[in-house]
Amino acid sequence: KAGVTQTPRYLIKTRGQQVTLSCSPISGHRSVSWYQQTPGQGLQFLFEYFSETQRNKGNFPGRFSGRQFSNSRSEMNVSTLELGDSALYLCASSLLLAGGEQYFGPGTRLTVT
Amino acid sequence: SQELEQSPQSLIVQEGKNLTINCTSSKTLYGLYWYKQKYGEGLIFLMMLQKGGEEKSHEKITAKLDEKKQQSSLHITASQPSHAGIYLCRSQGGSEKLVFGKGTKLTVNP
Repeated sequence: KAGVTQTPRYLIKTRGQQVTLSCSPISGHRSVSWYQQTPGQGLQFLFEYFSETQRNKGNFPGRFSGRQFSNSRSEMNVSTLELGDSALYLCASSLLLAGGEQYFGPGTRLTVT
Repeated sequence: SQELEQSPQSLIVQEGKNLTINCTSSKTLYGLYWYKQKYGEGLIFLMMLQKGGEEKSHEKITAKLDEKKQQSSLHITASQPSHAGIYLCRSQGGSEKLVFGKGTKLTVNP
């Protein structure tokens, strides 16, 4: 069974630009969660999608958005990038909503200059 | 909202030594997950604890959940360089948002 895949693995953007990250969950998993990881704040929950609907949301500004497609693949978008958005973005898939055993992708390392 | 505090923040041990990492919750702990992360990579699921007093082991890693103390501990016996990484605890989720501890960085010197 293929694991969770994330593309791209590395990304360099300039302040003010926008970026879209992609996540393909494990086959059969309908929940995809996104996290931001930084040295200072640790791993912070962004949002969770289940069956194409956002079900849970963390405390991030509206510049961070996401969506999920009918095949459970998910994308997250960050608009008007700021230097502080530089981080490792991880997605995780699971069978169940809001918890349960999550399987993580390798992450996308975003650097904003 | 729930917070998970991990201690210590970092740990350096000699190969073969035992060690313990703690995760303490600010609220009642109904369940807890432990993950391991190699630097800059995704998280690998280690164990899930769902009931107070529950104890699980996998190879040389044992985790316990103490409901009364609102705490979970992760114990590694006879540490090896392959145990090095960042260990993170995660809340059960459900009605509370998913929360991770900030992690414990483990270095094992050969």
